[in-house]
Amino acid sequence: AQSVTQLGSHVSVSEGALVLLRCNYSSSVPPYLFWYVQYPNQGLQLLLKYTSAATLVKGINGFEAEFKKSETSFHLTKPSAHMSDAAEYFCAVSETSGTYKYIFGTGTRLKVLA
Amino acid sequence: ETGVTQTPRHLVMGMTNKKSLKCEQHLGHNAMYWYKQSAKKPLELMFVYNFKEQTENNSVPSRFSPECPNSSHLFLHLHTLQPEDSALYLCASSQGREGGTEAFFGQGTRLTVV
Repeated sequence: AQSVTQLGSHVSVSEGALVLLRCNYSSSVPPYLFWYVQYPNQGLQLLLKYTSAATLVKGINGFEAEFKKSETSFHLTKPSAHMSDAAEYFCAVSETSGTYKYIFGTGTRLKVLA
Repeated sequence: ETGVTQTPRHLVMGMTNKKSLKCEQHLGHNAMYWYKQSAKKPLELMFVYNFKEQTENNSVPSRFSPECPNSSHLFLHLHTLQPEDSALYLCASSQGREGGTEAFFGQGTRLTVV
């Protein structure tokens, strides 16, 4: 079964610093990968997705992620953190079998320090 | 109204009560999902419906009973719940037809069982 692992349940960065949130996937075939963001008491909002069209994917709010097959990784980055980026971030993989399931990682809570 | 709408946003119920959570999507999607999000636990997929047919039941206790009368509506009927069932319940929808399409989430129902 496909799965994703997010390293680091909590990450703190200073405002203006680089944001790097890690995600590794486990799949026997090239998967579809997603990053979502969740603000307190809200649902999940899509940041970006990888669907094999390009390995570097740009998303909303200045985030991007690079698919690296050799490392089975899909890390999320943003060059300069903003206070409004403080939230929980989830990496997800979708199965392309009949059930179209989305399997989520355990999440990384990002804290941005002034 | 667009997107995925969940009602109610908050629900407090006793262990002997019966209540229902409602989800409605206005995106023309064919697949709908229930996820459970508990504190300090990963997002747990509960049920998947594709074209109104249940395609996934992730070993969910029978005190949770889903219903999908059409592709736009999804319900979660609750009865005889336990305090550990307190969580944020998230509904999502997707096209369910092609791989690589993302899931869209509602804002969730915060359930407290007393």
